[in-house]
Amino acid sequence: AQKITQTQPGMFVQEKEAVTLDCTYDTSDPSYGLFWYKQPSSGEMIFLIYQGSYDQQNATEGRYSLNFQKARKSANLVISASQLGDSAMYFCAMREELSDYKLSFGAGTTVTVRA
Amino acid sequence: EAGVTQSPTHLIKTRGQQATLRCSPISGHTSVYWYQQALGLGLQFLLWYDEGEERNRGNFPPRFSGRQFPNYSSELNVNALELEDSALYLCASSLGGGPGEETQYFGPGTRLLVL
Repeated sequence: AQKITQTQPGMFVQEKEAVTLDCTYDTSDPSYGLFWYKQPSSGEMIFLIYQGSYDQQNATEGRYSLNFQKARKSANLVISASQLGDSAMYFCAMREELSDYKLSFGAGTTVTVRA
Repeated sequence: EAGVTQSPTHLIKTRGQQATLRCSPISGHTSVYWYQQALGLGLQFLLWYDEGEERNRGNFPPRFSGRQFPNYSSELNVNALELEDSALYLCASSLGGGPGEETQYFGPGTRLLVL
């Protein structure tokens, strides 16, 4: 079974608008971490934001926020005020304590920001 | 502060040859991870090294191997190269392997092409 599911293969967003990228996960481990990474066409994976399973509040980092709904097992990324430089592939990933901390990645969502 | 570095950026080999990929973690990071990103297959976990020891291994054949040196840099070796080994190989590092230390920061990757 897929541990991380990203159902949106591609999205278009207008510059300065907000966009929400969906991520659902599957785990029975009570201790886990959820991550979002950005991968531009150059290939490098850039860490954006982290949410721990025991964190009470949703994580925020600048224009990035994570909408963490633990009961629904979802961890959606919200990018506010989109910029042209936000055009990239975005990956949701999970790290479970019981799997010795390796990261499991979703298939990714391509975001294209239009001027 | 320097990020994760990888060398070479590109590598072209023929089937049956051996490839060696190198990674230097962020200063102070003791854990190094290797991932394979093949076209159409997403990001797959290969290996995790921490404090010079192999801590976890993904579902890859034994011809994928590596090591971590006393300065925490790491090598990934791929023996008897096959065409399907063509991929982007990403290295990541983290402070350690435990809770609170798990955010992985990635390098720019090595693009391996097997002809």
